[in-house]
Amino acid sequence: AQKITQTQPGMFVQEKEAVTLDCTYDTSDPSYGLFWYKQPSSGEMIFLIYQGSYDQQNATEGRYSLNFQKARKSANLVISASQLGDSAMYFCAMKEGNKLTFGTGTQLKVEL
Amino acid sequence: EADIYQTPRYLVIGTGKKITLECSQTMGHDKMYWYQQDPGMELHLIHYSYGVNSTEKGDLSSESTVSRIRTEHFPLTLESARPSHTSQYLCASSVGLKGRYEKLFFGSGTQLSVL
Repeated sequence: AQKITQTQPGMFVQEKEAVTLDCTYDTSDPSYGLFWYKQPSSGEMIFLIYQGSYDQQNATEGRYSLNFQKARKSANLVISASQLGDSAMYFCAMKEGNKLTFGTGTQLKVEL
Repeated sequence: EADIYQTPRYLVIGTGKKITLECSQTMGHDKMYWYQQDPGMELHLIHYSYGVNSTEKGDLSSESTVSRIRTEHFPLTLESARPSHTSQYLCASSVGLKGRYEKLFFGSGTQLSVL
């Protein structure tokens, strides 16, 4: 079974608009961490945001926020005020114990 | 900011050659990882290390080997490259974040093409 599911292979958003990238996860471990990474066309992976399973508040980092719905096992990334430089591949990942598992990614394209 | 370096950035070689992909980090991180990623696909963990002289195989079976003789250096070696090894290889290191959860810092990757 897929541990991390990203159902949107590609998304388009207009500059300055907000966009939500979906991520659902599957785990029976009560203690886990959720991450979002950005991968531009240059290939490097850039850490964006982290949410712990016991965190009461949704994580925020600048224009990035994580909409954590524990009962639904979802951890959607919200990017506010999209910029052209946000065009990239976005990966959701989950850490259980020593293992970090990535989803298949969502390709985001920001348009003028 | 993270200081983790991979060389070469691109490599095109013939079948049967022995190659080593280099990865170095200057942050003093104990934990280092190698991921393999095909175009448009998710990352798969192939090797990891929790410190000097410690190496483990990851989730995805790989014919490559790794070594960790120094904290800062985690090279990956293919003894005899084949076209099926064509992929992007990403190196990462991590620092503890809120206890057991870690933030990974990634290198720029090595795009390997085996002809």
